[in-house]
Amino acid sequence: DQQVKQNSPSLSVQEGRISILNCDYTNSMFDYFLWYKKYPAEGPTFLISISSIKDKNEDGRFTVFLNKSAKHLSLHIVPSQPGDSAVYFCAASSPFNAGGTSYGKLTFGQGTILTVHP
Amino acid sequence: DTGVSQDPRHKITKRGQNVTFRCDPISEHNRLYWYRQTLGQGPEFLTYFQNEAQLEKSRLLSDRFSAERPKGSFSTLEIQRTEQGDSAMYLCASQRIGLRGSSGNTIYFGEGSWLTVV
Repeated sequence: DQQVKQNSPSLSVQEGRISILNCDYTNSMFDYFLWYKKYPAEGPTFLISISSIKDKNEDGRFTVFLNKSAKHLSLHIVPSQPGDSAVYFCAASSPFNAGGTSYGKLTFGQGTILTVHP
Repeated sequence: DTGVSQDPRHKITKRGQNVTFRCDPISEHNRLYWYRQTLGQGPEFLTYFQNEAQLEKSRLLSDRFSAERPKGSFSTLEIQRTEQGDSAMYLCASQRIGLRGSSGNTIYFGEGSWLTVV
């Protein structure tokens, strides 16, 4: 049961253009979402996150959009750079306790390979 | 550099042998996670500790797997009687819960330990 899905295995973009990576989830208990970037033979590196009380979060070139009704989130990278070429994972979590201040284990999508061409 | 350190980075072992991986989390992070990642998939949750207590184990963690965090600092993951299906990258991650706001929600990963069982 794949609760977090990234349906595009790969994406190719020209340098300077926008990269849009998509992610869908099925578990309505998820209320915190993260994007990680991963190079081969390295661990995932945190990029940006969003809580379900928001629909947009921006950090420099990275913006994450959340559509709760559609259970869909996307990561926009503008402008794309060759150094952005990597595997991008979206991940989701739900609070362990009713307090909701500590978010627990992550459920990851399968990843999307982004290639940015010079 | 996220500050989560894993050792060894690579391990090749014969089927049936035991292997142990070590993880040193970011200082003052009270929660520590173990994940496993196979080719073409996102990381999958295995287990986590809050301080020295192991609070949850995934059904992926068979009886041949054992994890410890004896003093609430570093952790070890041991795999006994390794099988070829155990070949994967084993990722450790840490988190500091109890912080106000979203900064306590981010989980930081180490660079992973590659296991190849031949």
